[in-house]
Amino acid sequence: SQTIHQWPATLVQPVGSPLSLECTVEGTSNPNLYWYRQAAGRGLQLLFYSVGIGQISSEVPQNLSASRPQDRQFILSSKKLLLSDSGFYLCAWSVIGTSPLHFGNGTRLTVT
Amino acid sequence: QKEVEQNSGPLSVPEGAIASLNCTYSDRGSQSFFWYRQYSGKSPELIMSIYSNGDKEDGRFTAQLNKASQYVSLLIRDSQPSDSATYLCAVNLLTGGGNKLTFGTGTQLKVEL
Repeated sequence: SQTIHQWPATLVQPVGSPLSLECTVEGTSNPNLYWYRQAAGRGLQLLFYSVGIGQISSEVPQNLSASRPQDRQFILSSKKLLLSDSGFYLCAWSVIGTSPLHFGNGTRLTVT
Repeated sequence: QKEVEQNSGPLSVPEGAIASLNCTYSDRGSQSFFWYRQYSGKSPELIMSIYSNGDKEDGRFTAQLNKASQYVSLLIRDSQPSDSATYLCAVNLLTGGGNKLTFGTGTQLKVEL
Protein backbone atom coordinates (compact mmCIF):
# COMPACT_ATOMS: atom_id res chain seq x y z
CA SER A 1 0.00 0.00 0.00
CA GLN A 2 1.00 3.59 -0.52
CA THR A 3 2.29 5.75 2.30
CA ILE A 4 3.43 9.34 2.46
CA HIS A 5 5.96 10.67 4.92
CA GLN A 6 6.31 14.32 5.74
CA TRP A 7 8.68 15.94 8.21
CA PRO A 8 9.17 17.68 10.51
CA ALA A 9 5.78 17.71 12.22
CA THR A 10 6.33 21.11 13.79
CA LEU A 11 8.85 23.85 13.16
CA VAL A 12 9.50 27.25 14.69
CA GLN A 13 11.77 29.48 12.63
CA PRO A 14 12.80 33.14 12.91
CA VAL A 15 12.00 35.63 10.18
CA GLY A 16 14.69 35.64 7.51
CA SER A 17 15.83 32.08 8.13
CA PRO A 18 15.79 29.38 5.43
CA LEU A 19 13.27 26.57 5.18
CA SER A 20 13.36 23.03 3.89
CA LEU A 21 10.42 20.66 4.20
CA GLU A 22 10.63 17.18 2.76
CA CYS A 23 8.04 14.68 1.63
CA THR A 24 8.46 11.15 0.31
CA VAL A 25 5.96 8.67 -1.05
CA GLU A 26 6.26 4.88 -0.94
CA GLY A 27 4.41 2.18 -2.81
CA THR A 28 3.70 3.97 -6.08
CA SER A 29 5.63 5.12 -9.12
CA ASN A 30 5.48 8.45 -10.92
CA PRO A 31 2.90 10.04 -8.63
CA ASN A 32 1.68 13.60 -8.96
CA LEU A 33 2.98 15.50 -5.93
CA TYR A 34 1.61 18.63 -4.32
CA TRP A 35 2.34 21.19 -1.66
CA TYR A 36 -0.63 22.94 -0.05
CA ARG A 37 -0.70 25.53 2.71
CA GLN A 38 -3.51 26.10 5.17
CA ALA A 39 -3.35 29.36 7.09
CA ALA A 40 -5.16 29.59 10.42
CA GLY A 41 -8.92 29.55 9.84
CA ARG A 42 -8.55 29.45 6.10
CA GLY A 43 -8.87 26.96 3.27
CA LEU A 44 -6.23 24.90 1.52
CA GLN A 45 -4.11 26.85 -0.94
CA LEU A 46 -2.23 24.98 -3.66
CA LEU A 47 1.37 26.17 -3.77
CA PHE A 48 3.14 23.79 -6.15
CA TYR A 49 2.46 20.60 -8.02
CA SER A 50 4.66 18.24 -9.98
CA VAL A 51 3.85 15.59 -12.58
CA GLY A 52 7.41 14.27 -12.83
CA ILE A 53 11.06 14.65 -11.85
CA GLY A 54 12.19 18.24 -12.32
CA GLN A 55 8.71 19.37 -13.42
CA ILE A 56 7.32 21.98 -11.05
CA SER A 57 4.30 24.21 -11.54
CA SER A 58 3.86 27.20 -9.26
CA GLU A 59 0.38 28.33 -8.41
CA VAL A 60 1.04 31.36 -6.23
CA PRO A 61 3.92 33.87 -6.61
CA GLN A 62 5.81 34.02 -3.32
CA ASN A 63 9.17 33.50 -1.71
CA LEU A 64 8.78 29.72 -1.67
CA SER A 65 10.13 27.22 -4.17
CA ALA A 66 9.78 23.51 -4.73
CA SER A 67 11.95 20.80 -6.20
CA ARG A 68 11.52 17.18 -7.15
CA PRO A 69 14.98 15.59 -7.28
CA GLN A 70 13.64 12.02 -7.30
CA ASP A 71 10.43 10.38 -8.49
CA ARG A 72 8.93 10.10 -5.01
CA GLN A 73 10.57 13.02 -3.24
CA PHE A 74 9.20 16.55 -3.07
CA ILE A 75 10.91 19.42 -1.27
CA LEU A 76 9.56 22.84 -0.30
CA SER A 77 12.14 25.54 0.34
CA SER A 78 12.59 29.17 1.14
CA LYS A 79 15.73 31.27 1.34
CA LYS A 80 14.21 33.81 3.74
CA LEU A 81 11.02 33.20 5.67
CA LEU A 82 8.40 35.88 6.21
CA LEU A 83 5.90 36.10 9.05
CA SER A 84 3.17 35.44 6.49
CA ASP A 85 4.72 32.06 5.72
CA SER A 86 3.35 30.66 8.97
CA GLY A 87 0.80 27.94 8.45
CA PHE A 88 0.09 24.25 8.09
CA TYR A 89 1.99 22.80 5.14
CA LEU A 90 0.63 19.66 3.57
CA CYS A 91 2.24 17.38 1.04
CA ALA A 92 -0.04 15.17 -1.03
CA TRP A 93 0.14 12.62 -3.81
CA SER A 94 -2.18 11.27 -6.46
CA VAL A 95 -1.99 9.04 -9.50
CA ILE A 96 -2.58 10.41 -12.97
CA GLY A 97 -6.19 11.10 -13.86
CA THR A 98 -9.16 12.06 -11.77
CA SER A 99 -8.09 10.32 -8.61
CA PRO A 100 -8.20 11.97 -5.20
CA LEU A 101 -5.26 13.40 -3.31
CA HIS A 102 -3.84 11.69 -0.26
CA PHE A 103 -2.23 13.90 2.33
CA GLY A 104 0.72 13.51 4.64
CA ASN A 105 0.43 14.43 8.31
CA GLY A 106 1.54 18.00 7.66
CA THR A 107 4.11 20.38 9.07
CA ARG A 108 2.99 23.21 11.31
CA LEU A 109 5.34 26.12 10.68
CA THR A 110 5.48 29.13 12.95
CA VAL A 111 7.63 32.03 11.83
CA THR A 112 8.54 34.31 14.76
CA GLN B 1 -17.40 34.04 -7.34
CA LYS B 2 -15.30 31.53 -5.46
CA GLU B 3 -14.47 28.38 -7.38
CA VAL B 4 -15.72 26.09 -4.61
CA GLU B 5 -18.12 27.43 -2.00
CA GLN B 6 -19.22 25.98 1.29
CA ASN B 7 -21.09 27.38 4.24
CA SER B 8 -18.50 27.76 7.00
CA GLY B 9 -20.95 26.82 9.76
CA PRO B 10 -20.79 25.69 12.43
CA LEU B 11 -23.52 23.23 11.63
CA SER B 12 -24.84 21.72 14.84
CA VAL B 13 -26.85 18.50 14.83
CA PRO B 14 -27.93 16.22 17.68
CA GLU B 15 -26.43 12.76 17.98
CA GLY B 16 -28.26 10.29 15.76
CA ALA B 17 -29.54 12.94 13.34
CA ILE B 18 -28.70 13.39 9.67
CA ALA B 19 -26.10 16.04 8.89
CA SER B 20 -26.34 17.63 5.45
CA LEU B 21 -23.32 19.44 4.04
CA ASN B 22 -23.46 21.37 0.79
CA CYS B 23 -20.99 22.60 -1.80
CA THR B 24 -21.28 24.51 -5.07
CA TYR B 25 -18.61 24.91 -7.71
CA SER B 26 -18.12 27.31 -10.58
CA ASP B 27 -16.32 25.30 -13.28
CA ARG B 28 -18.62 23.27 -15.54
CA GLY B 29 -15.58 21.30 -16.76
CA SER B 30 -15.09 19.75 -13.34
CA GLN B 31 -14.91 15.98 -13.55
CA SER B 32 -14.46 14.59 -10.07
CA PHE B 33 -15.54 15.56 -6.62
CA PHE B 34 -14.35 14.64 -3.17
CA TRP B 35 -15.22 15.08 0.45
CA TYR B 36 -12.49 15.23 3.07
CA ARG B 37 -12.81 15.24 6.83
CA GLN B 38 -10.31 17.28 8.84
CA TYR B 39 -10.05 17.06 12.59
CA SER B 40 -8.58 20.05 14.37
CA GLY B 41 -4.81 20.12 13.98
CA LYS B 42 -4.77 17.13 11.62
CA SER B 43 -4.46 16.69 7.88
CA PRO B 44 -7.49 16.11 5.63
CA GLU B 45 -8.69 12.53 5.24
CA LEU B 46 -10.57 11.37 2.16
CA ILE B 47 -14.02 10.02 2.98
CA MET B 48 -15.93 10.06 -0.32
CA SER B 49 -15.30 10.32 -4.05
CA ILE B 50 -18.00 10.84 -6.66
CA TYR B 51 -17.64 11.14 -10.42
CA SER B 52 -21.12 10.89 -11.95
CA ASN B 53 -24.52 12.36 -11.30
CA GLY B 54 -26.60 10.74 -8.61
CA ASP B 55 -25.95 9.28 -5.20
CA LYS B 56 -23.06 7.24 -3.90
CA GLU B 57 -23.34 5.54 -0.54
CA ASP B 58 -20.57 4.26 1.73
CA GLY B 59 -21.67 3.20 5.17
CA ARG B 60 -23.21 6.18 6.97
CA PHE B 61 -22.05 8.58 4.25
CA THR B 62 -23.88 9.47 1.04
CA ALA B 63 -22.47 11.82 -1.57
CA GLN B 64 -24.83 13.44 -4.05
CA LEU B 65 -23.78 15.08 -7.30
CA ASN B 66 -25.79 17.27 -9.69
CA LYS B 67 -23.54 18.57 -12.45
CA ALA B 68 -26.31 20.57 -14.11
CA SER B 69 -26.76 22.57 -10.92
CA GLN B 70 -23.03 22.45 -10.10
CA TYR B 71 -23.84 21.13 -6.68
CA VAL B 72 -22.42 18.34 -4.54
CA SER B 73 -23.52 17.36 -1.07
CA LEU B 74 -22.61 14.98 1.73
CA LEU B 75 -25.13 13.35 4.03
CA ILE B 76 -24.03 11.76 7.28
CA ARG B 77 -26.64 9.46 8.80
CA ASP B 78 -26.78 8.58 12.48
CA SER B 79 -24.31 11.35 13.31
CA GLN B 80 -21.87 10.58 16.11
CA PRO B 81 -19.79 12.91 18.28
CA SER B 82 -16.73 11.50 16.50
CA ASP B 83 -18.08 13.03 13.27
CA SER B 84 -17.43 16.49 14.71
CA ALA B 85 -14.84 17.95 12.34
CA THR B 86 -14.46 20.29 9.41
CA TYR B 87 -15.61 18.84 6.10
CA LEU B 88 -13.85 20.02 2.97
CA CYS B 89 -15.35 19.81 -0.50
CA ALA B 90 -12.78 19.43 -3.30
CA VAL B 91 -13.27 19.65 -7.04
CA ASN B 92 -10.93 18.45 -9.78
CA LEU B 93 -10.29 19.98 -13.16
CA LEU B 94 -7.75 18.35 -15.41
CA THR B 95 -5.35 20.95 -16.76
CA GLY B 96 -2.07 20.39 -18.55
CA GLY B 97 -1.83 16.76 -17.57
CA GLY B 98 -1.93 17.53 -13.89
CA ASN B 99 -4.63 16.67 -11.44
CA LYS B 100 -5.35 19.68 -9.30
CA LEU B 101 -7.96 19.90 -6.59
CA THR B 102 -9.55 23.15 -5.57
CA PHE B 103 -10.86 23.11 -2.03
CA GLY B 104 -13.67 24.94 -0.37
CA THR B 105 -12.99 26.58 2.97
CA GLY B 106 -14.87 23.84 4.78
CA THR B 107 -17.96 23.43 6.92
CA GLN B 108 -17.50 22.85 10.62
CA LEU B 109 -19.81 20.14 11.92
CA LYS B 110 -20.63 19.75 15.59
CA VAL B 111 -22.52 16.70 16.74
CA GLU B 112 -24.03 17.31 20.15
CA LEU B 113 -24.89 14.70 22.76
